Amino acid sequence: DGGITQSPKYLFRKEGQNVTLSCEQNLNHDAMYWYRQDPGQGLRLIYYSQIVNDFQKGDIAEGYSVSREKKESFPLTVTSAQKNPTAFYLCASSIRQFSGANVLTFGAGSRLTVL
Amino acid sequence: QQQVKQSPQSLIVQKGGISIINCAYENTAFDYFPWYQQFPGKGPALLIAIRPDVSEKKEGRFTISFNKSAKQFSLHIMDSQPGDSATYFCAATFNNAGNMLTFGGGTRLMVKP
Repeated sequence: DGGITQSPKYLFRKEGQNVTLSCEQNLNHDAMYWYRQDPGQGLRLIYYSQIVNDFQKGDIAEGYSVSREKKESFPLTVTSAQKNPTAFYLCASSIRQFSGANVLTFGAGSRLTVL
Repeated sequence: QQQVKQSPQSLIVQKGGISIINCAYENTAFDYFPWYQQFPGKGPALLIAIRPDVSEKKEGRFTISFNKSAKQFSLHIMDSQPGDSATYFCAATFNNAGNMLTFGGGTRLMVKP
């Protein structure tokens, strides 16, 4: 079955540590995204990538970094510079298209808790 | 700046009742308005979507009503069921936005048996 796999599902981090969240898709989608979900704030875009080896900052990129070395993979690193990293992180993908709107397919999410 | 405002933040409805969630937007360039449904511990999934050339779209028990002049749109869930209990997000985007969606804050719906 095609879909998006995020791992780990739960992650605990001590302050000052970097952590990397994995996102893999087998949908052959060109575009991939990372969103952060906090109660009452909806989904906020962290980073997105429309093509391999290229990515752009979203609305809340500070304290995060990404890479897109393969079409299938878009890992997110939460660095120690992110002041409030405890959140639910969602990875998504879509067919690349410059006009119109396409459906975002989401993974099941990773919940990060800073101890 | 939140360009899509969603209300209420939480909603409790009795089984068989009508659930109504409202969204308002600011950017008149928006031309595609999807709703996503998210069950606990899962990622959101597309539920239904509308373009501003129609005032209403219905899919089963789910209906989107769209008011272009008021820049508002709403989701109606008829005959609400306990299985509808989830968080609902409205969103908006525009042509050539490259699939970039602006999401509302979400509504947590609970349907009581």
